[in-house]
Amino acid sequence: ETGVTQSPTHLIKTRGQQVTLRCSSQSGHNTVSWYQQALGQGPQFIFQYYREEENGRGNFPPRFSGLQFPNYSSELNVNALELDDSALYLCASSPRTGKGTDTQYFGPGTRLTVL
Amino acid sequence: ELKVEQNPLFLSMQEGKNYTIYCNYSTTSDRLYWYRQDPGKSLESLFVLLSNGAVKQEGRLMASLDTKARLSTLHITAAVHDLSATYFCAVALFGGGADGLTFGKGTHLIIQP
Repeated sequence: ETGVTQSPTHLIKTRGQQVTLRCSSQSGHNTVSWYQQALGQGPQFIFQYYREEENGRGNFPPRFSGLQFPNYSSELNVNALELDDSALYLCASSPRTGKGTDTQYFGPGTRLTVL
Repeated sequence: ELKVEQNPLFLSMQEGKNYTIYCNYSTTSDRLYWYRQDPGKSLESLFVLLSNGAVKQEGRLMASLDTKARLSTLHITAAVHDLSATYFCAVALFGGGADGLTFGKGTHLIIQP
């Protein structure tokens, strides 16, 4: 069984640029969530996708957007990058069983540095 | 707004000792998770607690949940160096994986020989 994978591992961008991060969910998982983890902090929820639609969003501006594809993989897009966007971006997948026991399993993350 | 507070945020302890990490949350929730994160790595799921009084144990770690007090604890028994990591608790508001998790700031645990 393949776990959650993310690409790229590291990325360096400059202010104002746009970035796309990718995530492949664990086999059998249909829900993908994205989190931003600043250095020394806990992860913060960005948004979640289920059945190719956004299914909940945290306190992030619209320049953070995403997609989910029919194979449940997902992309996170960030426009007009700011210095504060520098962080580890984590993708997590989970099954949607409705049983209330759906643990989110995290990928290795993408380290984004904005200069 | 759901808030999750952990304490302590930093803990240095000796091997062989016992200690407890506390996680308080501000709103009723049906699920609480504990994760472990090693430096530069992603998050590893440790426990999911679903009901009041739930207790789960894995090796030297034991987690419990008191939904009435909105409190979860992670107890470490006879600590060993390999348990050095940052531990996060996280709370979900709704069932079925239909929402994001709110994390605490994490407890940075160092276990010294």
